[in-house]
Amino acid sequence: GNSVTQMEGPVTLSEEAFLTINCTYTATGYPSLFWYVQYPGEGLQLLLKATKADDKGSNKGFEATYRKETTSFHLEKGSVQVSDSAVYFCALRGGISQGGSEKLVFGKGTKLTVNP
Amino acid sequence: NAGVTQTPKFQVLKTGQSMTLQCAQDMNHNSMYWYRQDPGMGLRLIYYSASEGTTDKGEVPNGYNVSRLNKREFSLRLESAAPSQTSVYFCASSGGTGEITEAFFGQGTRLTVV
Repeated sequence: GNSVTQMEGPVTLSEEAFLTINCTYTATGYPSLFWYVQYPGEGLQLLLKATKADDKGSNKGFEATYRKETTSFHLEKGSVQVSDSAVYFCALRGGISQGGSEKLVFGKGTKLTVNP
Repeated sequence: NAGVTQTPKFQVLKTGQSMTLQCAQDMNHNSMYWYRQDPGMGLRLIYYSASEGTTDKGEVPNGYNVSRLNKREFSLRLESAAPSQTSVYFCASSGGTGEITEAFFGQGTRLTVV
């Protein structure tokens, strides 16, 4: 079945540091890929997404590129802020028409703490 | 625009008690999900509903039942609560069959079973 493996945390950075959170996946067909963010005490919010190979999703300074050849969707940000402190989840979802499952599958999450 | 609404937000149960977690979405989505979130385990899918009238087991369905009452509502029932079901539960919805759309989440229900 479909699965997502992401870098385990926690990750602690200083403000303005460069961030990478690795995510790789296993899936049939051509899944769509997502990064979600969860701030303390809240539900998950979509951060960015990519629906086909070589697509780049971006939002709030975060970026991730759908790499089919390496089955990866790594999250990056050039300069993190204290307000970026949260838990980040990589996820995938395939479509029935592609022979995959519609179920949305998540990685285990990576907790990021940014210190001033 | 309410999005996905879960009730209750907090609940404490005694072992063996039953309860139903309610979830409703107002985005006309076909697909709805129930997840549980535990420390170090990420989100694990309990049950999934691709459309009204259909449900499918996820990764951790034991001890739970679901009802897709109509297109808007998807409830999760614990028939006999156990301490291992202490967790934060999230309901989510997304566009539907063949549409690759993101999921929208509720605020969560924090359940403690003592």
